[in-house]
Amino acid sequence: GENVGLHLPTLSVQEGDNSIINCAYSNSASDYFIWYKQESGKGPQFIIDIRSNMDKRQGQRVTVLLNKTVKHLSLQIAATQPGDSAVYFCAETPIGAAGNKLTFGGGTRVLVKP
Amino acid sequence: DAGITQSPRHKVTETGTPVTLRCHQTENHRYMYWYRQDPGHGLRLIHYSYGVKDTDKGEVSDGYSVSRSKTEDFLLTLESATSSQTSVYFCAIRGSGNTGELFFGEGSRLTVL
Repeated sequence: GENVGLHLPTLSVQEGDNSIINCAYSNSASDYFIWYKQESGKGPQFIIDIRSNMDKRQGQRVTVLLNKTVKHLSLQIAATQPGDSAVYFCAETPIGAAGNKLTFGGGTRVLVKP
Repeated sequence: DAGITQSPRHKVTETGTPVTLRCHQTENHRYMYWYRQDPGHGLRLIHYSYGVKDTDKGEVSDGYSVSRSKTEDFLLTLESATSSQTSVYFCAIRGSGNTGELFFGEGSRLTVL
């Protein structure tokens, strides 16, 4: 866990339970959102994305929900597994913005208990 | 695998010395990025490039310069390293779709003593 340090909010979840990770964003102009997973000693990995014209998108065991009214994004992981233990980041950008620069949230650490 | 290689993966240096980190990609992507990651700050953009010789600043560009003389390589240089630049540095490339997802390298841990 050297890459993200000691001050992250942590979600502790029992293996097999569902996890919900929340993210608040601040830029009203953002219309594209991504969730990344980062395991210890590795770079962030893309999990799932959503555009602002949707409020829900599902992937394999993951669902992203977007509430533009309150600028809130969540990631739901079904049947959490030990391999889901990682730090999860949300990221946002306005599509078409110069350079498509992503702005990242601070991250949430998920610990899966066997 | 987005074909991104960062080097060196680990480096320890002394304050005041120059340091260059290299990001190499094999898939001819136009956009490349350098981020730093620190406890309490998440990932912050340093510089990015939108083509050969075309670069722009991110939110934490002070003390850093970049160069992109060919598509596959994006170099990050610390002209005179300081202890505040101790961090993990990630290179990223933008995927070829029309959205904005980034694919990251494995990171370069830099320690400035």
